[in-house]
Amino acid sequence: EPEVTQTPSHQVTQMGQEVILRCVPISNHLYFYWYRQILGQKVEFLVSFYNNEISEKSEIFDDQFSVERPDGSNFTLKIRSTKLEDSAMYFCASSEIPEYPDTQYFGPGTRLTVL
Amino acid sequence: QKEVEQNSGPLSVPEGAIASLNCTYSDRGSQSFFWYRQYSGKSPELIMFIYSNGDKEDGRFTAQLNKASQYVSLLIRDSQPSDSATYLCAVNKPHTGNQFYFGTGTSLTVIP
Repeated sequence: EPEVTQTPSHQVTQMGQEVILRCVPISNHLYFYWYRQILGQKVEFLVSFYNNEISEKSEIFDDQFSVERPDGSNFTLKIRSTKLEDSAMYFCASSEIPEYPDTQYFGPGTRLTVL
Repeated sequence: QKEVEQNSGPLSVPEGAIASLNCTYSDRGSQSFFWYRQYSGKSPELIMFIYSNGDKEDGRFTAQLNKASQYVSLLIRDSQPSDSATYLCAVNKPHTGNQFYFGTGTSLTVIP
């Protein structure tokens, strides 16, 4: 069964450093998402991406964040200068069709720890 | 006002019983509703979705939607210890693209 994959599974970084989290969405999916979950809190939407551009973004997704689809398979989230409060699980998700509503499938997540 | 609200639990049920999980949402115009299961330290796993008022059954799971009351529930019949997890309710609001709004989740423990 096709699934979303993410690398790395765990990333440790120093405050102020840049990190890139990588995702490979399900191959025939067209809509891609990043969510985050701070430990013990709810899953929060960051950004959605369709047709090589950002479709929606939340207040969390400020200028420190960027997304890119560098090739036909990968979807990345970059945090330019990490802060302690960026420590969280980051989930990539994808959905098949860009029509509302649609079902999103989540990857296993990357645990980001900022020291 | 929270977009999506769930009782955090924990909810404990004996093996074989019915577990009932509830969710309310604030935006009356919301149209699609999803239940995810999340094991500790893992990602959300889709259980089922519902768009229309009434019940929708999938195996041991039944989702119920009442748009007038802005209420969604998930029933798990014949609960198994492997069902022990946190259950997340997610809502897709109108005019917000495809972003999901999640509740904080309800922790379920099924006691053997």
